Amino acid sequence: QKEVEQNSGPLSVPEGAIASLNCTYSDRGSQSFFWYRQYSGKSPELIMSIYSNGDKEDGRFTAQLNKASQYVSLLIRDSQPSDSATYLCAVRYGGSQGNLIFGKGTKLSVKP
Amino acid sequence: GAGVSQSPSNKVTEKGKDVELRCDPISGHTALYWYRQSLGQGLEFLIYFQGNSAPDKSGLPSDRFSAERTGGSVSTLTIQRTQQEDSAVYLCASSPQRRSEAFFGQGTRLTVV
Repeated sequence: QKEVEQNSGPLSVPEGAIASLNCTYSDRGSQSFFWYRQYSGKSPELIMSIYSNGDKEDGRFTAQLNKASQYVSLLIRDSQPSDSATYLCAVRYGGSQGNLIFGKGTKLSVKP
Repeated sequence: GAGVSQSPSNKVTEKGKDVELRCDPISGHTALYWYRQSLGQGLEFLIYFQGNSAPDKSGLPSDRFSAERTGGSVSTLTIQRTQQEDSAVYLCASSPQRRSEAFFGQGTRLTVV
């Protein structure tokens, strides 16, 4: 069973702090990793993709990938109340299927 | 169109009726995914298309659910003899190739009464 695990939260951080979101996955053959943000009542919105070990930065967001540990994380610097949402980790598995599996999401609350 | 388009946006149906949900992916996107999201829950994978074929349909919950994709473009998810537990938001996503990012439509909210 290919799984993507996330802490459901809620994760509460004060405005301006760093929010750290974590994700683990079960299949070592995984090739691509994504973070989506989902506001209540809306569909998921892609915010970061990462394909190689290491860090990838985009504005206030940094994605980190460690394939040996099967671990992906998302850091949000200078968190804003508008960052309050559910963050979904997604993993595309390798082989012939290429399926895209989501974790259940971590709910983030940024307090003013 | 510019993005993934799903129709209808909302559907209310009576228990036992059949429904069809449509997904029009971004032009040129070869991969297409269907997910289901119940209230307050995560995304439940249903089926994945690469072109017109479905390498993975393992997430379809029962034989009442089926999906097809024609011309490597539009996909239809059909639910026969709907049940109340089928009530959820059905989300479609597409990506330009197997390794790339997937983009979601706005979803179809299905309510079975």
